Amino acid sequence: LAKTTQPISMDSYEGQEVNITCSHNNIATNDYITWYQQFPSQGPRFIIQGYKTKVTNEVASLFIPADRKSSTLSLPRVSLSDTAVYYCLVGGDTGFQKLVFGTGTRLLVSP
Amino acid sequence: NAGVTQTPKFRVLKTGQSMTLLCAQDMNHEYMYWYRQDPGMGLRLIHYSVGEGTTAKGEVPDGYNVSRLKKQNFLLGLESAAPSQTSVYFCASSYSPVYEQYFGPGTRLTVT
Repeated sequence: LAKTTQPISMDSYEGQEVNITCSHNNIATNDYITWYQQFPSQGPRFIIQGYKTKVTNEVASLFIPADRKSSTLSLPRVSLSDTAVYYCLVGGDTGFQKLVFGTGTRLLVSP
Repeated sequence: NAGVTQTPKFRVLKTGQSMTLLCAQDMNHEYMYWYRQDPGMGLRLIHYSVGEGTTAKGEVPDGYNVSRLKKQNFLLGLESAAPSQTSVYFCASSYSPVYEQYFGPGTRLTVT
């Protein structure tokens, strides 16, 4: 199963764009890349998922280079409410039971 | 739709006591999961189920048992609670392991 590496923490200000990069050097052919957001005292919430190139939804974009060994979650114009922990997961139909929510990236957005 | 619900929200146990945590989902998902999250840590998978009547061990199964007698319910049992099981427990469900998991609000368990 692909191991992921993310920064432990990031700081930003309201209105800025935030990019969180996740490294997954041994990603398998059938693996998808999924990002979750977790607020204190709540369960994680799905943000976005992708396989290759770029995926965009109403809250974020996910950039995946051709070699798929990394991915970048982009949050446009963050607000205070985006302060949370962000997890990058890599996995597919097989080995999913070994999916690991690591310690994630703790994003702090300041006024 | 209520999504994923968990009962109870909070519980305090004494060492050696037993309890059952209930997870229910109304999305007709085949896959269900139980995680634990310790302070400042990520989530670790305890047990999971790929369908009614099936269960399997995750990363940290010791001290826990599970049952999935109905598709919509996934129960997590602690037969003899230990202080090391003090944690927040999250249940989740998904249509398939590839697709997004929907999480419940969590159960905060303290074992003294």
